[in-house]
Amino acid sequence: NAGVTQTPKFQVLKTGQSMTLQCAQDMNHNSMYWYRQDPGMGLRLIYYSASEGTTDKGEVPNGYNVSRLNKREFSLRLESAAPSQTSVYFCASTTGGLAGSYNEQFFGPGTRLTVL
Amino acid sequence: AQKITQTQPGMFVQEKEAVTLDCTYDTSDQSYGLFWYKQPSSGEMIFLIYQGSYDEQNATEGRYSLNFQKARKSANLVISASQLGDSAMYFCAMREFPNQAGTALIFGKGTTLSVSS
Repeated sequence: NAGVTQTPKFQVLKTGQSMTLQCAQDMNHNSMYWYRQDPGMGLRLIYYSASEGTTDKGEVPNGYNVSRLNKREFSLRLESAAPSQTSVYFCASTTGGLAGSYNEQFFGPGTRLTVL
Repeated sequence: AQKITQTQPGMFVQEKEAVTLDCTYDTSDQSYGLFWYKQPSSGEMIFLIYQGSYDEQNATEGRYSLNFQKARKSANLVISASQLGDSAMYFCAMREFPNQAGTALIFGKGTTLSVSS
């Protein structure tokens, strides 16, 4: 049971390059999330997928796109990277379910992205 | 407006002492959940403790307890008998209801805890 996995762990891009961050979970969770973590800012939600086939914007979606490929996988794409997207990116998943229920979010190890 | 406020950028404590990390939150929902996560220097996010808004008793998990004061909208984390391994960044987070099945968390900016021997 690997939990939530992310690839790559580290990446350096030049401004304008594109890349896709991969995330997969093997816990049969319904909901998946992408966050970014910047110094002094905590984690901020980029996009989420409440269930397979749906995606929604979070607090900071500009410059990103996502794909919920299947129940296991949720990818984050930067079409034209900018220095402002230098950050640590975390993928997370949870069982989802009804409001009012306890749902711990399980986090991947993170991807450290630098855009030059 | 900030939904989660952690006013202590850094805290310092000696081994075996107790420490309280502050967290206040803002929501108009009656039903919500509060979480604390630990992030050591290695970077992973480790879940510590959860408190539901309707829970009557404060949550406890080993050396961690959550001092929940609903009327004041505070959810402070208390770590008893600090250990060197407790040195890390600590995040308070909230999940508001209702949600459309997604359970995204809103995070505070974090508190860095340093434990010395």
